[in-house]
This record gives sequence, C-alpha cells and structure tokens, in this order.
Amino acid sequence: EAGVVQSPRYKIIEKKQPVAFWCNPISGHNTLYWYRQNLGQGPELLIRYENEEAVDDSQLPKDRFSAERLKGVDSTLKIQPAELGDSAVYLCASSPGPAEEQFFGPGTRLTVL
Amino acid sequence: KQEVTQIPAALSVPEGENLVLNCSFTDSAIYNLQWFRQDPGKGLTSLLLIQSSQREQTSGRLNASLDKSSGRSTLYIAASQPGDSATYLCAFYTGTASKLTFGTGTRLQVTL
Repeated sequence: EAGVVQSPRYKIIEKKQPVAFWCNPISGHNTLYWYRQNLGQGPELLIRYENEEAVDDSQLPKDRFSAERLKGVDSTLKIQPAELGDSAVYLCASSPGPAEEQFFGPGTRLTVL
Repeated sequence: KQEVTQIPAALSVPEGENLVLNCSFTDSAIYNLQWFRQDPGKGLTSLLLIQSSQREQTSGRLNASLDKSSGRSTLYIAASQPGDSATYLCAFYTGTASKLTFGTGTRLQVTL
C-alpha cells in the first residue's frame, strides 16, 4: 500500500516568491494534516482537514499561507510571498479519521534565500 | 496548553543495550499517544499508538507505556542495533482535539 506522497522533496526560492507543496494522502484516509517542522523541533500543526473541510487552521498564518483540499483527496499548501523565516520542512500526514494513528509523508524541505 | 518534554535530548549507547526514552506531559487529559522515529532528512515513521484505554503497546523490540496519573510515557527498546539510530518523538492527542502535540525528540545513536 502506498504511503503519503509529497512533492517536491526540496525547494529553494528567493524571498517574496510564491511556493506550493502537494500532498496525496493514503487512500481512504479522510483526515489530512499539514505540519511545519523547524530544525531541532517537533512538528507543529498548520491545518487539519476532515474530507474537504478545514476544521482547524488556527496556526496557519493566513496573511501569506493558504491551503485547499479539493474533492477531499489531494491537498496543496501555498505560501505567497515567502519570507526567510518560512524555511523549514513541511510535512503532510493522514489518518483514517480524527484522533487516529497518523502516517506522515517524507516532507518538503523549503529554503528561502 | 499541553507541554511535552522528552529526556534525554540525546543518547549514545553501545549495540546490544536495552534503553528507555522518556516523555512527560502537563495535561492529563490525554486521548491517544503516538511514538515516531525520524531519520535525518526524512519524514516521521509511526512506531506505536497507545489508545486512551490502554496502558502499553508492544511491537517487536519496542514497548511503549502510558501512565496518565504521573504524566509520563516511556519507550523501551530492547537489544539496540545501529539501525535504531534516529530521533524518537512522542506526541499526544489531548481531549477532543484531533491534533498531535509533539515533544522535541530524543536523538539516539547506537554504536558498534
């Protein structure tokens, strides 16, 4: 069974440029999460989806970050414009339902110059 | 706000040793607990999930326990191997929240 798929794996951009990350969750998983992980720290939740509905986006910096999960399957996370402090690993995870075991993708390492 | 502390931050042991990683939390309203490992430059791999009604879970050489009353969870690794070298993270669901709150991890190195 395929795991959570993310692309790209690495992205280097200059500040003020836009960037987008894509995630394909495990088939049948209704809950999808986007996390940000800074160096030496644990992941922090940015947004959680139940099917296509964003049910927890309290930690998402909405002035520059946006996300969508059309049709309740794939999801994209966008940053526009990117700032130096956005450099981090962006992780996508999915679970069958809320508060169940989460499975993570390999992440996208973003470097903003 | 839930705070999760992992001690030690780093640990180096010779191959074959048994070891214990500790995770403590401040909010006893724990729902589920999940232990992960993270290899350098990789995502997180789920190791064990302890549901709220359980006290421990075992998978191969790994055993995780949860004691809500003391605010602690431990991950026991038996007969450690160099392939166990990674960062180990604990994470909790609290109350009805469906997000995981992570600790900062323990970086484990198993030497030959």
